[in-house]
Amino acid sequence: KAGVTQTPRYLIKTRGQQVTLSCSPISGHRSVSWYQQTPGQGLQFLFEYFSETQRNKGNFPGRFSGRQFSNSRSEMNVSTLELGDSALYLCASSLASGRPETQYFGPGTRLLVL
Amino acid sequence: AQSVTQLGSHVSVSEGALVLLRCNYSSSVPPYLFWYVQYPNQGLQLLLKYTSAATLVKGINGFEAEFKKSETSFHLTKPSAHMSDAAEYFCAVSDAGGTSYGKLTFGQGTILTVHP
Repeated sequence: KAGVTQTPRYLIKTRGQQVTLSCSPISGHRSVSWYQQTPGQGLQFLFEYFSETQRNKGNFPGRFSGRQFSNSRSEMNVSTLELGDSALYLCASSLASGRPETQYFGPGTRLLVL
Repeated sequence: AQSVTQLGSHVSVSEGALVLLRCNYSSSVPPYLFWYVQYPNQGLQLLLKYTSAATLVKGINGFEAEFKKSETSFHLTKPSAHMSDAAEYFCAVSDAGGTSYGKLTFGQGTILTVHP
């Protein structure tokens, strides 16, 4: 069974641009969560989507948004990029919302903002 | 609110020695607890998880952890370190009731170095 896939794996953007990251969950998994990992702040929860609805949201500004499609694939978007948005963005999928014990992570997308 | 504290941002052991990585959690509801490992430039790999069944949990690669409610701890151990265990380890907590949906709260991580 294929794992969680994230595209692209690496990305370089400049300040003020916007970026869209994609996550395809494990087959049969319907919930997708996103995390940001930085050396200073560690791993922080961004949001979770289930059945195309945002179920939970972390403490991030409105520049960070996401969505989920009917096939459970998810995208996250960051608008007006700042230098501090440079991070590893991790996606995790689970069978359903509220089932963290079934959660598996993808390899991440590394974003560098110049 | 939930939180995780990992004691020691860096731990160094000799190959063959005991590995002990400490994790204490805070949770107002029954927790699920996890240990993940991250190798450079990779995502998070689940080592083991506690989901309110047995308090001693065995995971992959010879790791195990014991849930101690009275001490609010979930320390990770391995009897004999291998060079390939060198990586960063993260402890995480979620609530068993699902009220936080899929959210995991992570500790700051512990970098394990293994010396030959």
